[in-house]
Amino acid sequence: KAGVTQTPRYLIKTRGQQVTLSCSPISGHRSVSWYQQTPGQGLQFLFEYFSETQRNKGNFPGRFSGRQFSNSRSEMNVSTLELGDSALYLCASSLRLAGDFADTQYFGPGTRLTVL
Amino acid sequence: EDQVTQSPEALRLQEGESSSLNCSYTVSGLRGLFWYRQDPGKGPEFLFTLYSAGEEKEKERLKATLTKKESFLHITAPKPEDSATYLCAASGDSGYSTLTFGKGTMLLVSP
Repeated sequence: KAGVTQTPRYLIKTRGQQVTLSCSPISGHRSVSWYQQTPGQGLQFLFEYFSETQRNKGNFPGRFSGRQFSNSRSEMNVSTLELGDSALYLCASSLRLAGDFADTQYFGPGTRLTVL
Repeated sequence: EDQVTQSPEALRLQEGESSSLNCSYTVSGLRGLFWYRQDPGKGPEFLFTLYSAGEEKEKERLKATLTKKESFLHITAPKPEDSATYLCAASGDSGYSTLTFGKGTMLLVSP
């Protein structure tokens, strides 16, 4: 079974620009979550999409947004880029089964964004 | 606010020298405790999921255990290929699919 794929793998942008990152989940997985990883803050949750709806959101400004399509693929967008947005952006997918326990999330390879 | 703290930050072992990594968590209504391994420049690779205090999971040289406040990742007779950053994450009532991560333990195993 193919894993989570993310495109592009590397991206260089300048301050003020916007960027769109893409994530294809594992086949059959309906939930996609996005995380930002930096050396100082570690891995931080951005948001989760399930059934094309944002279900949870982390503590990030409104410049960070996302969406999910009917085939569960997801995109995240960052507008008006700042130097501090340079990071590894990770996407994770899970089955999102109903129940009391959290599903295991499987991560993609990430998109390395550099803002100059 | 959910918190996950990992120790030590870095650990250097000789090949064959067993040790344990610690993950302390403060999470309201724990729904799952997860261990991942991350190699430089790559995404986290899933290792274990634990749900209840007393639960244990094993895979090759790794064994994960869970108490009501901590989780341990025991590494028995490590090999150089076990060198990586090990991440612990917890999910609680604050969000079904929201993982709160620790900063990780960077493990280096020397031959």
